[in-house]
Amino acid sequence: GAVVSQHPSWVICKSGTSVKIECRSLDFQATTMFWYRQFPKQSLMLMATSNEGSKATYEQGVEKDKFLINHASLTLSTLTVTSAHPEDSSFYICSATARGLIGMQPQHFGDGTRLSIL
Amino acid sequence: GENVEQHPSTLSVQEGDSAVIKCTYSDSASNYFPWYKQELGKRPQLIIDIRSNVGEKKDQRIAVTLNKTAKHFSLHITETQPEDSAVYFCAASPPSQFYFGTGTSLTVIP
Repeated sequence: GAVVSQHPSWVICKSGTSVKIECRSLDFQATTMFWYRQFPKQSLMLMATSNEGSKATYEQGVEKDKFLINHASLTLSTLTVTSAHPEDSSFYICSATARGLIGMQPQHFGDGTRLSIL
Repeated sequence: GENVEQHPSTLSVQEGDSAVIKCTYSDSASNYFPWYKQELGKRPQLIIDIRSNVGEKKDQRIAVTLNKTAKHFSLHITETQPEDSAVYFCAASPPSQFYFGTGTSLTVIP
């Protein structure tokens, strides 16, 4: 099946640090990648939708200057949390959809990144 | 936009019993409905999905039903086992997006 690799799996860093998270589709071309944030015992909160070669579409309330998303190729998208603060601590998960009609293709999720800001 | 509601938020069943989770959606353009299982600290994994041209789909102990007229779809797990304990998410997908339900925490009691 389709595999999505996400790195790093866990990051602990000081307040003010910028953190980059990578999401790669290993065996398929992902025209669209999604970035989610998940709080303990809560659902997936969509942050942004990233299409290869174009700017990401951010959900309402998500600061695009805070959460920089780049989708430079069909197999790689990155999320950079700039100048991270303790309130940015969370579980971040990416997912990818293969080429085709988005609504008809399942998403494949990465393992997630646990971000802890001290 | 789409609004997906999921019930119940928590569900406990005895091992061997059935579990049913229900979702409703609002956008008639939604035509794809996947279900994901997420174990603690792990990635959501697709367990079954259904498209709008089908009313029911079954895969061993798991089945999904879809009622397009009423805009609701359900996940049915029969003969539950302790390893079925997890959080389950439904999703509805119009052609350009996915919308997730709020999740159901299922506990199967041995």
